Amino acid sequence: AQKVTQAQTEISVVEKEDVTLDCVYETRDTTYYLFWYKQPPSGELVFLIRRNSFDEQNEISGRYSWNFQKSTSSFNFTITASQVVDSAVYFCALANYGQNFVFGPGTRLSVLP
Amino acid sequence: DAGVIQSPRHEVTEMGQEVTLRCKPISGHDYLFWYRQTMMRGLELLIYFNNNVPIDDSGMPEDRFSAKMPNASFSTLKIQPSEPRDSAVYFCASSPDRGVEQFFGPGTRLTVL
Repeated sequence: AQKVTQAQTEISVVEKEDVTLDCVYETRDTTYYLFWYKQPPSGELVFLIRRNSFDEQNEISGRYSWNFQKSTSSFNFTITASQVVDSAVYFCALANYGQNFVFGPGTRLSVLP
Repeated sequence: DAGVIQSPRHEVTEMGQEVTLRCKPISGHDYLFWYRQTMMRGLELLIYFNNNVPIDDSGMPEDRFSAKMPNASFSTLKIQPSEPRDSAVYFCASSPDRGVEQFFGPGTRLTVL
């Protein structure tokens, strides 16, 4: 069975602080995909990044970076110099090749001015 | 291109009534997903289709729920009869292939009184 754990239910930081959102996954598949989505207060789900199980390269996109470590089954997300607009619920998700998506419970990030 | 379109955006109904939620996926996307989001259970995958064929409906909570995809550009999720515990935001998402990101619609907020 697939499972995604986001142990941090809520995080509050002050603007310009760095923050890391943790994601730990479980799967027996050798081919799988990991995702991060953002859900701002307006409610829509916005795709941020996708990684496949064969690509452990870390990625940086502006203030966002992702650290994928198969050895610890983790796919953590760091926001550098956080801004108020980063306030949202962030979901980590796991999909096998059969497209069975499992979302984590989400981490609510509040960035205070 | 238009994104995933869902209607209605809000639905308020009384217990026992039939509810039909509608979704138009992004043109060319072969996969369509229905999710339910609640505070208690988070984001749950209810069912997904590939080329209009239901592939996995193991997330459908009970027989009161049914989903159809009569053609590549339209899907419905029906609840009959509805119950107060069905109150949630229902998202439709589509994707062009396996293992790639899903594009989410704006969601339908269902309230069953």
